[in-house]
Amino acid sequence: DGGITQSPKYLFRKEGQNVTLSCEQNLNHDAMYWYRQDPGQGLRLIYYSQIVNDFQKGDIAEGYSVSREKKESFPLTVTSAQKNPTAFYLCATEKDTSNQPQHFGDGTRLSIL
Amino acid sequence: QKEVEQNSGPLSVPEGAIASLNCTYSDRVSQSFFWYRQYSGKSPELIMSIYSNGDKEDGRFTAQLNKASQYVSLLIRDSQPSDSATYLCAVTESNAGNMLTFGGGTRLMVKP
Repeated sequence: DGGITQSPKYLFRKEGQNVTLSCEQNLNHDAMYWYRQDPGQGLRLIYYSQIVNDFQKGDIAEGYSVSREKKESFPLTVTSAQKNPTAFYLCATEKDTSNQPQHFGDGTRLSIL
Repeated sequence: QKEVEQNSGPLSVPEGAIASLNCTYSDRVSQSFFWYRQYSGKSPELIMSIYSNGDKEDGRFTAQLNKASQYVSLLIRDSQPSDSATYLCAVTESNAGNMLTFGGGTRLMVKP
């Protein structure tokens, strides 16, 4: 079954804890993106990667980290430095960077305990 | 200054009417334009792509692009309550390496 898999669907973070959100794709897409969405708001770009072993900061990268060791995987770590992590996190992929649309996973909802 | 602008709504239309959603953008050389639908609590789903001036129809949906005026719109004919969602406009921005930039979305409510 082809697609973008985000896990877990729901995640709870204790204060001072780092948590990692998983994003895996089997679409053979080159580019991967992480967005944050707060209630009633639009999408804000956290990090993106257009090629393996390379990634770039988006508009709100502070308090987050990523890696892109494999084409299929782009995990996002929400560190303890991110003081307001409660949000809906969306992973997206794009076939390449030639004006293609992005496709989204089902998202992970992160809350603070 | 936002580069892709949408009226946040809510836009309320009666069932069976035409819903018209609008989006303006600032980058004159944008190449690609997309509409996504996002149901409450769900992820965005691509519903339309348009790359050249004019209209593009797909079922009840029509995307309209006017590059000279820098706007793109989405018309939904025979609106159904199931069309109630937030609609996101996305535009490639040449000054951002052809990255997609999303508008804030317009919430559509279709009343039975």
